[in-house]
Amino acid sequence: QSALTQPRSVSGSPGQSVTISCTGTSSDVGRYSYVSWYQQRPGKAPQLMVYDVTKRPSGVPDRFSGSKSGNTASLTISGLQAEDEADYYCCSYAGNYILVFGGGTKVTVL
Amino acid sequence: QVQLQESGPGLVKPSETLSLTCTVSGYSITSAYYWAWIRQPPGKGLEWIGSIYRSGDTYYSPSLKSRVTISLDTSNNQFSLWLSSVAAADTAVYYCARLDFLSGYYGAVPTSFDCWGQGTLVTVSS
Repeated sequence: QSALTQPRSVSGSPGQSVTISCTGTSSDVGRYSYVSWYQQRPGKAPQLMVYDVTKRPSGVPDRFSGSKSGNTASLTISGLQAEDEADYYCCSYAGNYILVFGGGTKVTVL
Repeated sequence: QVQLQESGPGLVKPSETLSLTCTVSGYSITSAYYWAWIRQPPGKGLEWIGSIYRSGDTYYSPSLKSRVTISLDTSNNQFSLWLSSVAAADTAVYYCARLDFLSGYYGAVPTSFDCWGQGTLVTVSS
C-alpha cells in the first residue's frame, strides 16, 4: 500500500475557507468510507478531527467538515482561525485490516 | 477518561531490537477497540506500524511485517511493540493509540485513532 497523496501546503487568511485533498486509489479511499483526518500542532500528538469521512468527534468545531468523491477525500476548514495553523493528515482503511496515512499538509494562516 | 503513555529506551543501537510499552489508564484493553502503534520520523509524516485487537489478533504494515511484533499484557493493561534489526531509518517519535472500529459487512474494520499517547522519541545510533 502506498501513502495517500496530500498537497504539501495550503494557506488562507482568517475567515476564509481552505480545502485539503487526500487522493488514494480504488483499493482504499475509493472503496471504503473509513477516512479520518488528524490535526497535529508542533511537538504535539495528532488529534482526531473527522472520522468515517464526514463525522466529527465531540468537541471538534463544526468549521471542520469532511467529504469524499471517488478516490479523493477532502477536509474543509471554514472560517479559518489562527489556531487552525497546523499539520493535517488523512488516513484510510485499505482492506485486510491495514491503514494508510497521507503525507501531511501544512496549513498556514496568513 | 482514557489515557495512553509510551515508555521505553530512547536510544537503541543499530541491528538491535526496539522495545516500547504503552500503558493504558481509564479503560480496559480487553473491553473493546484495537490498540495501535504509529511512528513519525523527524520532520516527516505519520506511518502506521501495526494494530492488535482485544482478542490478541495482530495486523502489521506490509513494509514492516517481517520485523514487527505487537502483544497485549492484560494483567498490567499494557500493550507492547518490538521492532527488530533497527537502522537509522527507524529513528522516529513512536505513538501508541486507541483504534476505533465498526462491525459490519467487512468484519470489525479499524477506522480511526481516537486517542493518542504523547509519543516517545527513539533514536537509533551507535
